Amino acid sequence: GENVEQHPSTLSVQEGDSAVIKCTYSDSASNYFPWYKQELGKRPQLIIDIRSNVGEKKDQRIAVTLNKTAKHFSLHITETQPEDSAVYFCAANRRRSGGGADGLTFGKGTHLIIQP
Amino acid sequence: GAVVSQHPSWVICKSGTSVKIECRSLDFQATTMFWYRQFPKQSLMLMATSNEGSKATYEQGVEKDKFLINHASLTLSTLTVTSAHPEDSSFYICSARKAVYEQYFGPGTRLTVT
Repeated sequence: GENVEQHPSTLSVQEGDSAVIKCTYSDSASNYFPWYKQELGKRPQLIIDIRSNVGEKKDQRIAVTLNKTAKHFSLHITETQPEDSAVYFCAANRRRSGGGADGLTFGKGTHLIIQP
Repeated sequence: GAVVSQHPSWVICKSGTSVKIECRSLDFQATTMFWYRQFPKQSLMLMATSNEGSKATYEQGVEKDKFLINHASLTLSTLTVTSAHPEDSSFYICSARKAVYEQYFGPGTRLTVT
């Protein structure tokens, strides 16, 4: 089955600096890679996603890059702000034989701390 | 928008009892919903895929007789934790699939088994 590795587990950056979180996946059949932000006790919130037919996607201060050959994808947050502090999860969809619906396999999460 | 609700938001039950958690898509129909479990300070783990009108598909290691899933309508899936034990205490989160690449999470249900 799919395995998603995420690094680092904790990332502390100064406010205004950039943050990068990296993930790798194992199943070459995966074709959808979302990133979620989760605050304590809350549901995961989708912040950006990318499909395997593109290499990069950007939404204001957030960007995601995908390298299908290496099975890597990364989240980039620029000009970090205190409200960016949270746990971030990467995920990859799980393709089933026969075309069944896709659940997600999540990375272990990165606790992002923005230092004022 | 796409809104998914869960009920209850938290529940405390005694060991050996059963607990039912509801997941509803409020403004769209979802033929597929997913159930995840999240232990404190850990990641989400997919437990099962709930398909409207058919049996759920369980992930490896998840006991189907312990975690009963019913997807009786296009807007409702239920997860029943049977004979709950303290090790079942966790945050249970559902998601509902609106389109091929769109799924929306519910707010989660915190289950504590005493």
